[in-house]
Amino acid sequence: NAGVTQTPKFQVLKTGQSMTLQCAQDMNHNSMYWYRQDPGMGLRLIYYSASEGTTDKGEVPNGYNVSRLNKREFSLRLESAAPSQTSVYFCASSEATGTGSTDTQYFGPGTRLTVL
Amino acid sequence: GENVEQHPSTLSVQEGDSAVIKCTYSDSASNYFPWYKQELGKRPQLIIDIRSNVGEKKDQRIAVTLNKTAKHFSLHITETQPEDSAVYFCAASIVPYSSASKIIFGSGTRLSIRP
Repeated sequence: NAGVTQTPKFQVLKTGQSMTLQCAQDMNHNSMYWYRQDPGMGLRLIYYSASEGTTDKGEVPNGYNVSRLNKREFSLRLESAAPSQTSVYFCASSEATGTGSTDTQYFGPGTRLTVL
Repeated sequence: GENVEQHPSTLSVQEGDSAVIKCTYSDSASNYFPWYKQELGKRPQLIIDIRSNVGEKKDQRIAVTLNKTAKHFSLHITETQPEDSAVYFCAASIVPYSSASKIIFGSGTRLSIRP
């Protein structure tokens, strides 16, 4: 089991460029999440997907879009990158049984994005 | 929405001593409180969690306590070792209306263990 994988590991963009961060999990988890991590600010939820075919906004969704392509894959797109989006992006997944209980989130290795 | 505050932001303790990190949350409906450890350049990993129907949970040298009335919870690490040096995040979950667990994280505590 690879767990949660993310590509790319590093990326440098110019302001205004677009790109898609890819995330995949092989644990048959129902829910997937995208976070950004900035120094001194912890992890902030951008978007999440409770199950295949659904997505919802988190704390900081502006400037991002997501696609839950299938149960395994959840991508994050920056349409017009800005320097304020320079950050480390983590994808996570959880089993999320749907009973109202909360399950452990497993994180990917992260993507370090710099926008110039 | 939920807000989680974490203190201190940095903590330095002598090897073998105990370390305590404290968090408060705002949403009284939160019912799940995980703690994550993140080593430099690595991904966050769950080290312990507690649910609102439990006041304390222990796993070897790590323990977490929860005071629902005061809306605060704490991480206790005893007999600290060099490998405990990392950034620790507390978190609280908003009561889920779907199957997803929407977790709000604290800002982190950088723990350093002095030899």
